[in-house]
Amino acid sequence: DTAVSQTPKYLVTQMGNDKSIKCEQNLGHDTMYWYKQDSKKFLKIMFSYNNKELIINETVPNRFSPKSPDKAHLNLHINSLELGDSAVYFCASSRNTYEQYFGPGTRLTVT
Amino acid sequence: SQQGEEDPQALSIQEGENATMNCSYKTSINNLQWYRQNSGRGLVHLILIRSNEREKHSGRLRVTLDTSKKSSSLLITASRAADTASYFCAPQDRGSTLGRLYFGRGTQLTVWP
Repeated sequence: DTAVSQTPKYLVTQMGNDKSIKCEQNLGHDTMYWYKQDSKKFLKIMFSYNNKELIINETVPNRFSPKSPDKAHLNLHINSLELGDSAVYFCASSRNTYEQYFGPGTRLTVT
Repeated sequence: SQQGEEDPQALSIQEGENATMNCSYKTSINNLQWYRQNSGRGLVHLILIRSNEREKHSGRLRVTLDTSKKSSSLLITASRAADTASYFCAPQDRGSTLGRLYFGRGTQLTVWP
């Protein structure tokens, strides 16, 4: 019974391509997040949605666009991928301001 | 910076020993959370301590919070090889947007059998 799932787990693609990562949670939470973890393990928030409304939009390139079709899903679309986008991307969800539940991560490698 | 900063960056101990990790932060907080990340996996929530609490226990975990010093510590007692992981603290800023946490780079704990 996976709580927060992400697909794909691994994504290898070339510079300039467009790709999407999908996230789904079955916890009934109203807030979802996207994080980026770099090679030095620094975990930084990118976006957050509460009840399908964007509430956190960190300083990320506008090549990154989140989409929340409903409360249970938050997808991340990335246009014109660059080498520096290589990282592990984590989706998370929470109920209000309480603990966050993380997905298993998507390792993106841009060549 | 509002992120939590863990210290030490790396800690290596033998099974059965206690492990203590520290966290410092710079702002006023609603709460502070600790998470564990096993290699290649997502983060798992361990414990949440509110700003009006000083100490909290969960199994072999003990967390303290000193808001006057803006610091927290995580103690794992009687460590096991399975405790090997990275540990992150995440302060939740009092004035922050709903649910926002500020993670640092974590403490890499290695427990040798």
